[in-house]
Amino acid sequence: DAKTTQPTSMDCAEGRAANLPCNHSTISGNEYVYWYRQIHSQGPQYIIHGLKNNETNEMASLIITEDRKSSTLILPHATLRDTAVYYCIIHISGGGADGLTFGKGTHLIIQP
Amino acid sequence: AAGVIQSPRHLIKEKRETATLKCYPIPRHDTVYWYQQGPGQDPQFLISFYEKMQSDKGSIPDRFSAQQFSDYHSELNMSSLELGDSALYFCASSWTSGTGISGEQYFGPGTRLTVT
Repeated sequence: DAKTTQPTSMDCAEGRAANLPCNHSTISGNEYVYWYRQIHSQGPQYIIHGLKNNETNEMASLIITEDRKSSTLILPHATLRDTAVYYCIIHISGGGADGLTFGKGTHLIIQP
Repeated sequence: AAGVIQSPRHLIKEKRETATLKCYPIPRHDTVYWYQQGPGQDPQFLISFYEKMQSDKGSIPDRFSAQQFSDYHSELNMSSLELGDSALYFCASSWTSGTGISGEQYFGPGTRLTVT
C-alpha cells in the first residue's frame, strides 16, 4: 500500500468546515483513498472512500486531485464530537480481505 | 443497526498465561480482521479471515493464533502472554465478493487486555 503524509494536528472552530489534507504521491492506479477516524480509545470508524472522483456521504466529502497524489477530507459543519484522530489510508479494494495500514493520522481538535 | 461485538471488553491476565478474545461480525459479513493498538500507538493489523480461511497476515506474533468458525465469528488465541501484549485489540468485519473485492471495514469496540 502507498505511504501517506498527514499533518500531526489541526484545530477547527465548531460549526466551521474542517479540511484535512493527505498526500499520497506513490498511489497506484488500483488503490483507493480511505478515511477512518478514531475517537479516543473507541474502534476506528469508516468515513468515506474514493478512487478518482469526488465523493460525498452523510458524514463528509472527499476531494481527490486529478493526478490522485493528494486528497482532502471535508467535514462540512464540525461539532465537538468530531474531535478525533483521522487516518488517510491507501488500500486496494480488490485485494481480498487485506488489512488496513494505519499511519500516524491527524489529531483534529474542534474548539467551542 | 447491528455492530461488531467483541468479548470480553476487559481482560486482566498474568505473564505466561493464555487469553482468548472473541469477535462476532456484523450479520451477513463473512470477513474478519484483527488489529492491535498499544498505548499511544496507531492500530496495527494482525490477521484476517475470509470464509474461514486465513486471508492476510500482518505483524502477528507466533504466540498468537486465530481462526474463523462456520458462523463467521472469530477467536484470537494468545499464549505465553508478555507485558508488551497489553493493548486494545480490535476486531473488524466486512463483506468480500467472490471476485475478491472487500467492502469497508467496520470495527468493534475493542477488548482491553492488561498483562500484569
